[in-house]
Amino acid sequence: SQKIEQNSEALNIQEGKTATLTCNYTNYSPAYLQWYRQDPGRGPVFLLLIRENEKEKRKERLKVTFDTTLKQSLFHITASQPADSATYLCALPEGGADGLTFGKGTHLIIQP
Amino acid sequence: ETGVTQTPRHLVMGMTNKKSLKCEQHLGHNAMYWYKQSAKKPLELMFVYNFKEQTENNSVPSRFSPECPNSSHLFLHLHTLQPEDSALYLCASSQDLVLRQGASGANVLTFGAGSRLTVL
Repeated sequence: SQKIEQNSEALNIQEGKTATLTCNYTNYSPAYLQWYRQDPGRGPVFLLLIRENEKEKRKERLKVTFDTTLKQSLFHITASQPADSATYLCALPEGGADGLTFGKGTHLIIQP
Repeated sequence: ETGVTQTPRHLVMGMTNKKSLKCEQHLGHNAMYWYKQSAKKPLELMFVYNFKEQTENNSVPSRFSPECPNSSHLFLHLHTLQPEDSALYLCASSQDLVLRQGASGANVLTFGAGSRLTVL
C-alpha cells in the first residue's frame, strides 16, 4: 500500500517568509495529489489538487508542485501570516480501496 | 460550517455502553466516509459508502457498525469499545466516490468538524 511521508516535526517560519512543506510517497505514482488544512479541533479543509500531468498549481498565496520522478510534492505559502498556522495534510488515492490515504501532516507555526 | 454536520461533538462512554455518532450532509453528495484520527497517526479510512451502499470496510473491528440509510446521512454505531478506540472520528462526503488509484476522475472530500470520543 502507499506510504506518505510528511515532515511531522513542527515547522517554525517567520511572518512574511515563504513556508515550504514536503510530501513524499513511496510506491506507485498517483493520478493526483491533494493538500488539506486542519485547525485544532476541526476537520480537514481542502486546499488544492494537482494532477500527475501538472507540474505546478497556484491559488492566491498557495503553490503546489508535483514531481513524479522524485515522488514528491511541495506546498508553498508565500508572504506567510500567523493565520496560516495550522496542520497541513497531503492525500493520495488509496492503492487497494476507494478513498484517500493521508499523511500525518506537518504542523506549521508562523511567528509574528 | 462546511455543509457536513457531525453530532455529538464530544462523547464520553464506558466500555459497556452503546452509543452512535451521526453525520449529515446537505451538499447533494453521493459518497460518504468515516475516518478515525488518533494522536500522532495519520487519518485512517474506516468505511466508504456510495449511493448508500457500502463499498469499503477497511478491516474495522465489528464493535464499530456503520449505517447509511440514505445518501445524506451516515451513522457509526459503537458498542463494547476499548480505551484505544478513543480518537477523533471524522465524517466526510464527496460529490462522487474517490476511486482507488488507477481509476479516472478526481473528487475532493468535505469533512465535518468531527466527534471527539473518549472511552473510559
